[in-house]
Amino acid sequence: QKEVEQDPGPLSVPEGAIVSLNCTYSNSAFQYFMWYRQYSRKGPELLMYTYSSGNKEDGRFTAQVDKSSKYISLFIRDSQPSDSATYLCAMSTYYSSASKIIFGSGTRLSIRP
Amino acid sequence: SQTIHQWPATLVQPVGSPLSLECTVEGTSNPNLYWYRQAAGRGLQLLFYSVGIGQISSEVPQNLSASRPQDRQFILSSKKLLLSDSGFYLCAWTPDSAPGNTIYFGEGSWLTVV
Repeated sequence: QKEVEQDPGPLSVPEGAIVSLNCTYSNSAFQYFMWYRQYSRKGPELLMYTYSSGNKEDGRFTAQVDKSSKYISLFIRDSQPSDSATYLCAMSTYYSSASKIIFGSGTRLSIRP
Repeated sequence: SQTIHQWPATLVQPVGSPLSLECTVEGTSNPNLYWYRQAAGRGLQLLFYSVGIGQISSEVPQNLSASRPQDRQFILSSKKLLLSDSGFYLCAWTPDSAPGNTIYFGEGSWLTVV
């Protein structure tokens, strides 16, 4: 079993829809959770990070962590064609070496105009 | 603010030729530096990381090597490329003060070995 599981998609939704992207994990020691957006042929860009459980909101993006279920989500409201990209989740134990940051394999998202 | 630069962005190299990818970070000191490879449709594979000048840790034994000649410079090299070395290579950094928290990536280098 992989430490982090992420549905590869592709996920296609119409413009304006609410998008839900998810990852599950098995290591209960993870405390730091990150979401990255990666456009085609570009490096991943940090979107959001959260520590421990709870929600964090930034504009149209909301990151949610449920440590009891070992499940994290990224919600995108009022989705736009410019949101079309691959979204990677990542997680680590607090203050661990970054060599121990574990990435999901990414979900490819397409927003239809 | 901190920035990371990586070059070249794209290169096509014949099998058996050498490789050198360079990465520099600006606006910070003593960063932790990383090289990742991302194969098409697959996740990120950590190749090397460095916590200081001359300190290199290899995660995956292979045809590549890394060096850190200066605090904010990280180089990925190969003496003889293989077809299997083709892929998208990403340099990344984390702050020395909180290495496990967030990691920042460069724009990437697309390598095609022919």
